Amino acid sequence: KAGVTQTPRYLIKTRGQQVTLSCSPISGHRSVSWYQQTPGQGLQFLFEYFSETQRNKGNFPGRFSGRQFSNSRSEMNVSTLELGDSALYLCASSLMRDNEQFFGPGTRLTVL
Amino acid sequence: GENVEQHPSTLSVQEGDSAVIKCTYSDSASNYFPWYKQELGKRPQLIIDIRSNVGEKKDQRIAVTLNKTAKHFSLHITETQPEDSAVYFCAARTAGGSYIPTFGRGTSLIVHP
Repeated sequence: KAGVTQTPRYLIKTRGQQVTLSCSPISGHRSVSWYQQTPGQGLQFLFEYFSETQRNKGNFPGRFSGRQFSNSRSEMNVSTLELGDSALYLCASSLMRDNEQFFGPGTRLTVL
Repeated sequence: GENVEQHPSTLSVQEGDSAVIKCTYSDSASNYFPWYKQELGKRPQLIIDIRSNVGEKKDQRIAVTLNKTAKHFSLHITETQPEDSAVYFCAARTAGGSYIPTFGRGTSLIVHP
């Protein structure tokens, strides 16, 4: 089975722009979660989606949003980018909500 | 909410030695504890996990122990090899709640040949 894939792998944006990241879960997995990873803060939870519905949201501003499609693929969007948004954005999928999570390779976002 | 503390932040060992990483959690309702290994520039990979109805789990050179009373769990790696060098993350998750794991800050393990 193919693993979790994320596109693009690298992005460079400037402050004020917006960005959309994509995540394709393992085939058959219905739950997708997003995390922000930075050297200082570790892995911080952003959102969890299951059956096209956001089930949980982490402590991030409203500039961060996401969605999940009927095929379980997910996107996250960050508007009005700030320098502090520079990070590795990881998505993780699981079969159901209480199963183990498998991570994608991440999207490295750099905001200049 | 849940709080997970992980120690040490850096661990340096000689090849062949054992390595132990410890995590404590705050929510007594947590019942699932995964460990992830993240090599430089790569994705976190699940290496072992344990549920609260089990005290210990082993998989070849790695093992995890759980003490529910003290609310701590540990990762043990025996006969370390240079390819074990990576950052290791512990996490705790509460069943029936949000299903979102809370991660520790990570331990950078360096195995010297």
